[in-house]
Amino acid sequence: KQEVTQIPAALSVPEGENLVLNCSFTDSAIYNLQWFRQDPGKGLTSLLLIQSSQREQTSGRLNASLDKSSGRSTLYIAASQPGDSATYLCAVRRVLATSGTYKYIFGTGTRLKVLA
Amino acid sequence: DTEVTQTPKHLVMGMTNKKSLKCEQHMGHRAMYWYKQKAKKPPELMFVYSYEKLSINESVPSRFSPECPNSSLLNLHLHALQPEDSALYLCASSQDRGTYQPQHFGDGTRLSIL
Repeated sequence: KQEVTQIPAALSVPEGENLVLNCSFTDSAIYNLQWFRQDPGKGLTSLLLIQSSQREQTSGRLNASLDKSSGRSTLYIAASQPGDSATYLCAVRRVLATSGTYKYIFGTGTRLKVLA
Repeated sequence: DTEVTQTPKHLVMGMTNKKSLKCEQHMGHRAMYWYKQKAKKPPELMFVYSYEKLSINESVPSRFSPECPNSSLLNLHLHALQPEDSALYLCASSQDRGTYQPQHFGDGTRLSIL
């Protein structure tokens, strides 16, 4: 059974710091991995999608890496800002052999607070 | 602005009521999903529709009944819910199965069961 964990569960940093969020998964047979942010009481906003054949993706101040063999992904946030405060979730996509359809399994999340 | 629209944003209902949640997308996506999210927990998959057919039911109680009338619309019919069903219900969509496309989420419906 695929399990996805995120460390740390919560993080509080001063504005301007560079930070790394971690995502670990137990089964390396994934199609891709997606990072999301979620503001309180809101839906999920997609940040980055990494295909299983890729090593990293970048968007602005965000950089996500993927090491399938070790079951790890990291989200790097450069020069953090108070507006980055949110919960960050990773999700791995797997295919169900019986039906050919796929599902996303979410990690436990990291609650980030960036202090002004 | 989200490209997946969910209505209503908030819903309060009694345990004997019948209500429906609605989700709509016009991105041409052929896979649509319902998730349940409790406070400070990650979303948990409930149902997946692929090409308007139910392809995954994660052992969800029958008091939740999904429906996909067409490729743009996904409903979740609610009946005889329990207080523990209070949660944020999220809808998502993506390109058809087997392609490397991201999921897009709506803002959710906050459901409270009295």
